[in-house]
Amino acid sequence: EDQVTQSPEALRLQEGESSSLNCSYTVSGLRGLFWYRQDPGKGPEFLFTLYSAGEEKEKERLKATLTKKESFLHITAPKPEDSATYLCASPLPRTQGGSEKLVFGKGTKLTVNP
Amino acid sequence: DGGITQSPKYLFRKEGQNVTLSCEQNLNHDAMYWYRQDPGQGLRLIYYSQIVNDFQKGDIAEGYSVSREKKESFPLTVTSAQKNPTAFYLCASSTGRQGLETQYFGPGTRLLVL
Repeated sequence: EDQVTQSPEALRLQEGESSSLNCSYTVSGLRGLFWYRQDPGKGPEFLFTLYSAGEEKEKERLKATLTKKESFLHITAPKPEDSATYLCASPLPRTQGGSEKLVFGKGTKLTVNP
Repeated sequence: DGGITQSPKYLFRKEGQNVTLSCEQNLNHDAMYWYRQDPGQGLRLIYYSQIVNDFQKGDIAEGYSVSREKKESFPLTVTSAQKNPTAFYLCASSTGRQGLETQYFGPGTRLLVL
């Protein structure tokens, strides 16, 4: 079964305390992976697309990496405004002319205390 | 500015009532999607549309219906057959081209049952 599992479910950090969020997937035929940020009561905001194993992307204090079985979202020296739920999603194999269908993880709720 | 709009932000449904959630995009995207988000669960796909006048059922289509008469619009109707409609509903769109596509989300509609 195609699955995406995120850990931990929740993470509390002190401001400036770096850490990593994990996203593991069992979707066959790696086509890439997406990371989103979601604030309470709002729609997910796109962060990164990772296209192949070994790829890394950075945006401010966030760095996403991808291996053949999992992805990490590293948060360096986080600030309270980084508090949000972070979602990862893996694309399913796509048929010619078919739509892009994603499998989402349940998310990691990050809280950064001042 | 290009983007996706959803309305209303909150919607209340009475027993036996059908309600319609609006989704509009001005990104010139061909593909549009509807997801449902429940606490502690990943996003689940309800319906998706690759082009105008064509749409497909997702993983949890029972009790829902859609139409795609215009490229910009993809309304979702929650029918009285949906027995547990309380959730956060998210609309997304993507270019519809081949290859790995990023989906962009609207702000969401929260549906509550009276």
